[in-house]
Amino acid sequence: QVQLQESGPGLVKPSETLSLTCAVSGYSISSGYYWGWIRQPPGKGLEWIGSIYHSGSTYYNPSLKSRVTISVDTSKNQFSLKLSSVTAADTAVYYCARRTVFGRWFDPWGQGTLVTVSS
Amino acid sequence: QSALTQPPSASGSPGQSVTISCTGTSSDVGGYNYVSWYQQHPGKAPKLMIYEVSKRPSGVPDRFSGSKSGNTASLTVSGLQAEDEADYYCSSYAGSNNSVFGTGTKVTVL
Repeated sequence: QVQLQESGPGLVKPSETLSLTCAVSGYSISSGYYWGWIRQPPGKGLEWIGSIYHSGSTYYNPSLKSRVTISVDTSKNQFSLKLSSVTAADTAVYYCARRTVFGRWFDPWGQGTLVTVSS
Repeated sequence: QSALTQPPSASGSPGQSVTISCTGTSSDVGGYNYVSWYQQHPGKAPKLMIYEVSKRPSGVPDRFSGSKSGNTASLTVSGLQAEDEADYYCSSYAGSNNSVFGTGTKVTVL
């Protein structure tokens, strides 16, 4: 079955760039679907960060658009998130997930990775 | 885009039903039949429970059902069981390949 796994530094300094990768197994990214990033600050709700189509087209949350870059590497079957100029407010569990083309739901999800922004 | 509005909490005794609302606008919930619901247990990733307003993925008990009227979607859990105690989030397509999540509802089984 399709599985997603996030990886990246668990601690990032303020003003630096957060970088995460989501490795996909059991499905070839180049075959289709959208691939997304969602985050959840400690004790708070889910926030959609952005999505990328297998062709490379990207779509970002307007509130984060100026700081977010999502890219895909079909040769490694993975996609990545970069969030620049981070502050403590960006501390969260970051999830990657697959999004359907037509129904627009997210499934499956990765297990999530906690990123703390602190000096 | 603003988060969809959900009640912070809901509760019911075992065997009872609980309904959670998810209110958006005509630009998201009201504009598309692309509402999904997710269950999240503490420390775990969200799990898809309902998609396209009222459809259940394979493996999700038929105790879970979804509906929509205007700008408000709802999730009903019938025959509450202890394992249904979790946080629940709605999500909606918001046009131009954007998505928006709800504020989340903590369901307690009394």
